[in-house]
Amino acid sequence: GENVEQHPSTLSVQEGDSAVIKCTYSDSASNYFPWYKQELGKGPQLIIDIRSNVGEKKDQRIAVTLNKTAKHFSLHITETQPEDSAVYFCAASRSRGKLIFGAGTRLAVHP
Amino acid sequence: EAGVAQSPRYKIIEKRQSVAFWCNPISGHATLYWYQQILGQGPKLLIQFQNNGVVDDSQLPKDRFSAERLKGVDSTLKIQPAKLEDSAVYLCASSFAGGEGEQFFGPGTRLTVL
Repeated sequence: GENVEQHPSTLSVQEGDSAVIKCTYSDSASNYFPWYKQELGKGPQLIIDIRSNVGEKKDQRIAVTLNKTAKHFSLHITETQPEDSAVYFCAASRSRGKLIFGAGTRLAVHP
Repeated sequence: EAGVAQSPRYKIIEKRQSVAFWCNPISGHATLYWYQQILGQGPKLLIQFQNNGVVDDSQLPKDRFSAERLKGVDSTLKIQPAKLEDSAVYLCASSFAGGEGEQFFGPGTRLTVL
């Protein structure tokens, strides 16, 4: 069945360092890969997404890369700040909209 | 622009009781989703509506869960009877047109079944 694996489950970095979260998906028909940030007591919020016809996308300190052959995609956060501390989820989807989420990565950025 | 509204925010019930959750999507969004998020896991889709029709309910435990979206706007999700393993956050999301459109999530309803 459809599955998304996400690593690591927890990540602790010093302020200013970079953070990388990796995901692997199983459904080769997946063509949309969003990343969500979830803060305590809130719903997930989209921070960046990438489609299968693009290999890399960047938005200020956040970038996502996609390797369709290996079915891998990654989130890169540079110059981390304490407010980046949250749980991050990757997801994969076919065109019909159903998102398959990874288990999440709890990121802690220490001042 | 107002976001996705959900109520109640918290609910505590005894097992075998029934419970209902309400969602009001962003105005104009045709697609509405209900997800279940168990503590420490990612959200899992329960049901997807396109206007007032069901697109995907393959993961909905239909013996106890039901959902409706009257008039293609608000939606309710019901559990009857509840089990201990139903303890989770129930998230509602909406998107303008489904497909690859961004899904906007509400704050969720945290359900505790005792």
